[in-house]
Parts: sequence; C-alpha cells; structure tokens
Amino acid sequence: DGGITQSPKYLFRKEGQNVTLSCEQNLNHDAMYWYRQDPGQGLRLIYYSQIVNDFQKGDIAEGYSVSREKKESFPLTVTSAQKNPTAFYLCASSGLIYGYTFGSGTRLTVV
Amino acid sequence: QKEVEQNSGPLSVPEGAIASLNCTYSDRVSQSFFWYRQYSGKSPELIMSIYSNGDKEDGRFTAQLNKASQYVSLLIRDSQPSDSATYLCAVNRETSYDKVIFGPGTSLSVIP
Repeated sequence: DGGITQSPKYLFRKEGQNVTLSCEQNLNHDAMYWYRQDPGQGLRLIYYSQIVNDFQKGDIAEGYSVSREKKESFPLTVTSAQKNPTAFYLCASSGLIYGYTFGSGTRLTVV
Repeated sequence: QKEVEQNSGPLSVPEGAIASLNCTYSDRVSQSFFWYRQYSGKSPELIMSIYSNGDKEDGRFTAQLNKASQYVSLLIRDSQPSDSATYLCAVNRETSYDKVIFGPGTSLSVIP
C-alpha cells in the first residue's frame, strides 16, 4: 500500500545534539513538507520541497535543515540551534490534487 | 488577522446531533479548501476537499464554501462518539497546490 513512513515514532534529544527525522513516501508525489505541531496548536510549516535537490524555508525554518536527494525521501535535521525542539513533527506529501497525505509523526522530546 | 481562523472550541454535541465547524480565511485568491480530522496523538487525515462555491456532500459530512464571504464550514450529521477529534481547516493561499495554511483546529466532543 502507498503511504508515508516516518521514523522513529519517539525520539529523545540531549542538549546540544543534532537529530535527524526520517520521512519516506512511495506515493510518487513530487512535493513533500515538514510541519511542527505543539500541544493544542495548529500546524506550522518548517520546510517544503517541490522537486528533487530543491527546497524552501517555511515559516519556522530556523534551527532546522533538510535535504531532498531522492524523490521518495525528505529527512529533517533538528540542530542544536533549535532551542525549543520538543514537539510533534509531521511529514506530508502531495500530488496535483486532493490535499496532503501525512505520515504518522515523530514525537521529539528534549531530555 | 490570522490567515485561517476557526471557531474556538471545544465544541460539544450530543450523539445524533449535527456538529457545525466554521472556518474563515484572509487571502481572497485562495483556491482550494480542506478539512482534516486529527485524533489525539495521531496525524491529520483528509476527510473533505472543496474547490467551488456551494455544498459538497460525502456520507455524513457536508462541506460548504462561500468565497465571497471567505468562509468554509463542515457539517457532520448524525454525530457519533467516533467523530470526537480535532478538525483542522486548511486553505491553499496560492493557486498552486502547495503552501497550504492550516487553521488552529476545533476540538469536537460527541457525548453519548
């Protein structure tokens, strides 16, 4: 079945560490996105990519980085520069129509 | 003014009633409108999309769009406890299919 796979489901980060969240899709979608969701809040766009080897900053890109070397993959790195990274991270993809398909999310906690 | 606003919750309705969820948006050139359902601790799931003025029905769900008023709503008929979730309104702020903006969500609780 087609879909989006995010891993890991839970991730713990120590102060000063960089961590990478994985996102893989087999829907043949061109566009992929990373969102952050804080408790009781809506979704905020971190980065998005419309084609391989190209990506754009969203509304809250500071402290994050991405790459898009393959159409299927769009990993997100949370760097040590992100001072408040504890949140629920959602990866999504979209084709030409029908909105977004989301992965199951990664819950990141700073310890 | 926020780009996408939704009626503040939580919204509680008795089982079998109609739940009405509202959303307004600020960008007049918005073209595509979506409703997502998000259960607690889970990722959002697309339940309705609407692109032209009027009503669109899918089972117990009806989406209504009024571009002149910059307003989109979701009606849930015969509400069930399994409908209890947060409902996110999403709007394309450009004519392309990306750059969807999400509202803050409205929490719905259906009381048995």
